[in-house]
Amino acid sequence: SQQGEEDPQALSIQEGENATMNCSYKTSINNLQWYRQNSGRGLVHLILIRSNEREKHSGRLRVTLDTSKKSSSLLITASRAADTASYFCATGDVKGAQKLVFGQGTRLTINP
Amino acid sequence: GAGVSQSPSNKVTEKGKDVELRCDPISGHTALYWYRQSLGQGLEFLIYFQGNSAPDKSGLPSDRFSAERTGGSVSTLTIQRTQQEDSAVYLCASSLVQAPYNEQFFGPGTRLTVL
Repeated sequence: SQQGEEDPQALSIQEGENATMNCSYKTSINNLQWYRQNSGRGLVHLILIRSNEREKHSGRLRVTLDTSKKSSSLLITASRAADTASYFCATGDVKGAQKLVFGQGTRLTINP
Repeated sequence: GAGVSQSPSNKVTEKGKDVELRCDPISGHTALYWYRQSLGQGLEFLIYFQGNSAPDKSGLPSDRFSAERTGGSVSTLTIQRTQQEDSAVYLCASSLVQAPYNEQFFGPGTRLTVL
């Protein structure tokens, strides 16, 4: 079964607005990662945050992690049409750091 | 170097036939993963290879599914007696197992359609 659950399942916003996606998980983790998928094919790694980190930035991306609530958020600022994709969170379990468990994803649509 | 490659990109087969899906990981990556993604769904873990260790087969849905990795590089996922519910995109990924926090690099996937 999937551990990560993204919220919302789908999000549609206007270009230039900020997009926020959330991820919840159930077990103890040592890291959480966000991936993007275009057109239902290969995934691209966006950002990784370790369990002892609370916030991380990469360009227009900002990721937060709250291990007490077992949740993470991905913020995309100043969205662009090219950001249209599905976004997945994936968790690395403390027992098996090399094995990632993916959520169901959030489908993000940026309207021009 | 090149990224992860998979072949074929699309496969259409008839119910009951066997299929083989191939994955070429990034050179030097010792960890290799297979996932399955049904339409509009997340990734379902199937199997994980790490170096010469015994693979983690805990995600294989039935004994019709098997995978091997020859020479620590190329991997083949075999589905025997395919069923319509096997239709999905099969994704392969590789990573540097030395890193405790591993970024996985994905191939473009093989879209399998079982008629």
